Amino acid sequence: EAAVTQSPRNKVTVTGGNVTLSCRQTNSHNYMYWYRQDTGHGLRLIHYSYGAGNLQIGDVPDGYKATRTTQEDFFLLLELASPSQTSLYFCASGQGRGTIAEQFFGPGTRLTVL
Amino acid sequence: TQTVSQSDAHVTVFEGDSVELRCNYSYGGSIYLSWYIQHHGRGLQFLLKYYSGNPVVQGVNGFEAEFSKSDSSFHLRKASVHWSDSAVYFCAASRGSALGRLHFGAGTQLIVIP
Repeated sequence: EAAVTQSPRNKVTVTGGNVTLSCRQTNSHNYMYWYRQDTGHGLRLIHYSYGAGNLQIGDVPDGYKATRTTQEDFFLLLELASPSQTSLYFCASGQGRGTIAEQFFGPGTRLTVL
Repeated sequence: TQTVSQSDAHVTVFEGDSVELRCNYSYGGSIYLSWYIQHHGRGLQFLLKYYSGNPVVQGVNGFEAEFSKSDSSFHLRKASVHWSDSAVYFCAASRGSALGRLHFGAGTQLIVIP
């Protein structure tokens, strides 16, 4: 069965801190996505990628970097974390193209920036 | 601007009732539409999608959705809900050329009273 895992599941850091969120998928999907979920906003796309080494900017990229090291692994980096980045972060994978509307989500990482 | 609107933040029904969760979109051109479910503390799970053909699409667990181009809508329905259907439901849209990126509505929380 398709699987997307995320680590850590919970993270607390201080303002200005450096945080890396990790995502791994074993679906052999080309596309991977990072979203943040905030009350009243649904999910908003931060960055995405359609293959190792590729990066695309999403709708809310400010303050975030991302890196896709392999087909399986996609990382989200917050180099100077701010309280506004306190959120629930989801990673997802998808095959794209003919199955564009169908994505598989990880369990989420809850990040708190104090 | 491409938007997905879910007009109801909360919907409460009794077990066995029918339910309709509303979704409207504003997009030009070809569009993929989908619905996702999020149980408390979990990631999103794909329910169903529409791109073309029969405007009524069937999903898992008795859910179906109907696409209407004239109303710019993609409402989700279930004839008889179960308490386990209590969750947050997200409508999402994607353009065919958009490398799989989804725009999500703000979500509707469905509460089913046993």
